[in-house]
Amino acid sequence: NAGVTQTPKFQVLKTGQSMTLQCAQDMNHNSMYWYRQDPGMGLRLIYYSASEGTTDKGEVPNGYNVSRLNKREFSLRLESAAPSQTSVYFCASRDRPNTEAFFGQGTRLTVV
Amino acid sequence: QQQVKQSPQSLIVQKGGISIINCAYENTAFDYFPWYQQFPGKGPALLIAIRPDVSEKKEGRFTISFNKSAKQFSLHIMDSQPGDSATYFCAASWGDYKLSFGAGTTVTVRA
Repeated sequence: NAGVTQTPKFQVLKTGQSMTLQCAQDMNHNSMYWYRQDPGMGLRLIYYSASEGTTDKGEVPNGYNVSRLNKREFSLRLESAAPSQTSVYFCASRDRPNTEAFFGQGTRLTVV
Repeated sequence: QQQVKQSPQSLIVQKGGISIINCAYENTAFDYFPWYQQFPGKGPALLIAIRPDVSEKKEGRFTISFNKSAKQFSLHIMDSQPGDSATYFCAASWGDYKLSFGAGTTVTVRA
């Protein structure tokens, strides 16, 4: 049982380049999340999807877009990467509100 | 701004000692308060969670204390072990699916 799988694990981008971070879960969970983790800032919510076909902004959505491709997959896109987007990105999923959220292993992104 | 404020940012404790991490919130609609543990290079994992209708929950050496009137909750790690060295996050959520995290506390247990 893989849980939440993120790809890639590491990525280096040049300023202005675009890329998509992929996330897939095999637990049949309804809701999925994208967070970024920065030193001293904890985990900040970028976007979330409460169910297939819906997406909503979190605390720090600027510069990002998301797609809930189906119930399993939730992707995060950076259209024009900036150095301020250097961070570790985590995808998570959970079945219902107020239940355990399961996290992937993270993607370490560096924008130079 | 973060909806959950966590302190301290880091702490060092001797093996066998007690680690205490505190969190405070403002949104009285929050009704689920989990704690997550994260080891270097890994994603966070649920450690223990509490709902506001109880004042304390204990699982092994980990205890959550919850003070609804003060809008505060804390994690106590009893008999701290080197394997407990990790970053701990408090969090809070309510029925809109969002889960808001504190800034994290790095705990180092010295042998």
